[in-house]
Amino acid sequence: GENVEQHPSTLSVQEGDSAVIKCTYSDSASNYFPWYKQELGKRPQLIIDIRSNVGEKKDQRIAVTLNKTAKHFSLHITETQPEDSAVYFCAANGDDKIIFGKGTRLHILP
Amino acid sequence: DGGITQSPKYLFRKEGQNVTLSCEQNLNHDAMYWYRQDPGQGLRLIYYSQIVNDFQKGDIAEGYSVSREKKESFPLTVTSAQKNPTAFYLCASSIAAGGPISSYEQYFGPGTRLTVT
Repeated sequence: GENVEQHPSTLSVQEGDSAVIKCTYSDSASNYFPWYKQELGKRPQLIIDIRSNVGEKKDQRIAVTLNKTAKHFSLHITETQPEDSAVYFCAANGDDKIIFGKGTRLHILP
Repeated sequence: DGGITQSPKYLFRKEGQNVTLSCEQNLNHDAMYWYRQDPGQGLRLIYYSQIVNDFQKGDIAEGYSVSREKKESFPLTVTSAQKNPTAFYLCASSIAAGGPISSYEQYFGPGTRLTVT
């Protein structure tokens, strides 16, 4: 079955700098790759997703890239702000469910 | 944020007791899921259901049971057989499991924090 690895587990960046979170997946049949953000004490929420027929997708300060050959995908956050502090989860579809990575705790330093 | 609810927010139980966590959705979603969240472990799938009266084990089903008698409801029972039940439990739903890619988007409930002593 699908296995999703996520790195790093913790990331600290200066406010205004960029943050990059990377994930790899194992199942070449996976074709949907969402990213979820979970703020402290709240539920995870979808922030962006990418499908296998696209290499990159951007939404304001957030972008995702997908390399199907290498089976990895990344989340890029530019001009980071305090409200970006949260845990971020990558995921991939496998069979009839979504498999999540273990999460990255992002700290935005003042 | 509305549409999927879990109750209660906090739950305390003594070791050896079974406890049932509630999950209700009014989104008319076919698929529902239960995840367990522990620090550094991400979201681990316990059980999921694609349709009423049917459900499948996830990665960590041992010590848990579910039912899906109604489309709107997917309660999770944490049994005394679960070795480490203290955790944060998240319920989620999606339009469907499988099929069109867009149907995979998970809508999460607010979670129930279970503490067993």
